[in-house]
Amino acid sequence: QQPVQSPQAVILREGEDAVINCSSSKALYSVHWYRQKHGEAPVFLMILLKGGEQKGHDKISASFNEKKQQSSLYLTASQLSYSGTYFCGTYGEYGNKLVFGAGTILRVKS
Amino acid sequence: DAGVIQSPRHEVTEMGQEVTLRCKPISGHDYLFWYRQTMMRGLELLIYFNNNVPIDDSGMPEDRFSAKMPNASFSTLKIQPSEPRDSAVYFCASSFALGQVEDGYTFGSGTRLTVV
Repeated sequence: QQPVQSPQAVILREGEDAVINCSSSKALYSVHWYRQKHGEAPVFLMILLKGGEQKGHDKISASFNEKKQQSSLYLTASQLSYSGTYFCGTYGEYGNKLVFGAGTILRVKS
Repeated sequence: DAGVIQSPRHEVTEMGQEVTLRCKPISGHDYLFWYRQTMMRGLELLIYFNNNVPIDDSGMPEDRFSAKMPNASFSTLKIQPSEPRDSAVYFCASSFALGQVEDGYTFGSGTRLTVV
């Protein structure tokens, strides 16, 4: 039992855009986004706390559609440093704990 | 702050041996989490503590696993006896709150456990 992420993997060239989706079967209280590079720990990117919220820094942003029980992460004008596995974590779907999706592998090529 | 500190970084042990993983959370964080990461099951929550008290251990796979937090600056995850299927990367994370926390969770570097 975990949120569903799509796509499973995506390959981009530098400068291209990508969208990663995270969906839940139940109402969510919040959605976290993390990035993990190979051999390293997951690093927090941002949290969305309520429906309709949008956030972003640099060229990475996210939205939270409460009614659709879905969040999306937008990567604009991708850079090589964006490569890694992106995880969404949903809170409230499975009780009082943060449950992570299976991850989306993003590879940016030069 | 030095972040969440885990030790050891790598552990190779023989089946049947006891393994102890250690974690020092960020000072001031009231929540501590133990996650396990494998290719098959992804990032799974094993147990979490609030103010040193275990709150939810429903993710602990079986009685061979135990976790303690004797004080606000130290936690251990013990596996006894260890089995090859316990091989995984074990992450400790800490946070100010459970889910609705602006700064998210801070993860340690992880312990890569290999049981042969």
